[in-house]
Amino acid sequence: GQQLNQSPQSMFIQEGEDVSMNCTSSSIFNTWLWYKQDPGEGPVLLIALYKAGELTSNGRLTAQFGITRKDSFLNISASIPSDVGIYFCAGQTLTDSWGKLQFGAGTQVVVTP
Amino acid sequence: GAGVSQSPSNKVTEKGKDVELRCDPISGHTALYWYRQSLGQGLEFLIYFQGNSAPDKSGLPSDRFSAERTGGSVSTLTIQRTQQEDSAVYLCASSRTGVAGNTIYFGEGSWLTVV
Repeated sequence: GQQLNQSPQSMFIQEGEDVSMNCTSSSIFNTWLWYKQDPGEGPVLLIALYKAGELTSNGRLTAQFGITRKDSFLNISASIPSDVGIYFCAGQTLTDSWGKLQFGAGTQVVVTP
Repeated sequence: GAGVSQSPSNKVTEKGKDVELRCDPISGHTALYWYRQSLGQGLEFLIYFQGNSAPDKSGLPSDRFSAERTGGSVSTLTIQRTQQEDSAVYLCASSRTGVAGNTIYFGEGSWLTVV
């Protein structure tokens, strides 16, 4: 079963605000990934993190791989309407094969004008 | 093709019937994965193929679930004697290889409803 705790479950924010979500794990992870899923679509990779402490940006998105290797956060700055969707964290443990990812339950982001 | 292609996109079946879900990965991708997503939940790993072999099928929930891959390309996920708890979106994904760091691309999923 899932070992990732993702929070918050949902966020209602105004356009222009910053968004922050995080994931924690009971296991040590080799890799942390952040995905976004739009309705009726498959998840799309936003950011991949491979080293403890790593801080990576992709446009208005910033994510960090926690020092303990058991947590990660994703920040979205200056949100816009197209940021609406469900954001998932995913991780790969030390012993699992690459494609065997564990996913959080998702954070639903709603942006109001 | 340009992306991972799955069919059917939607399937409604009666309890007890068998269903087959098809995945056509990105051309040239040797690694293929099946995941299941229940309503309001994250994705749950089912099985991983490298070429035609399945080094990891630890996520298949019961012996009613099976999958195969032929020619190193198309994969089929079969669910026998479907139950209502099998209702979910079944997502296929592929990556160039199964080596860490290769981006995993997901298809749009097959939405299965068992009535």
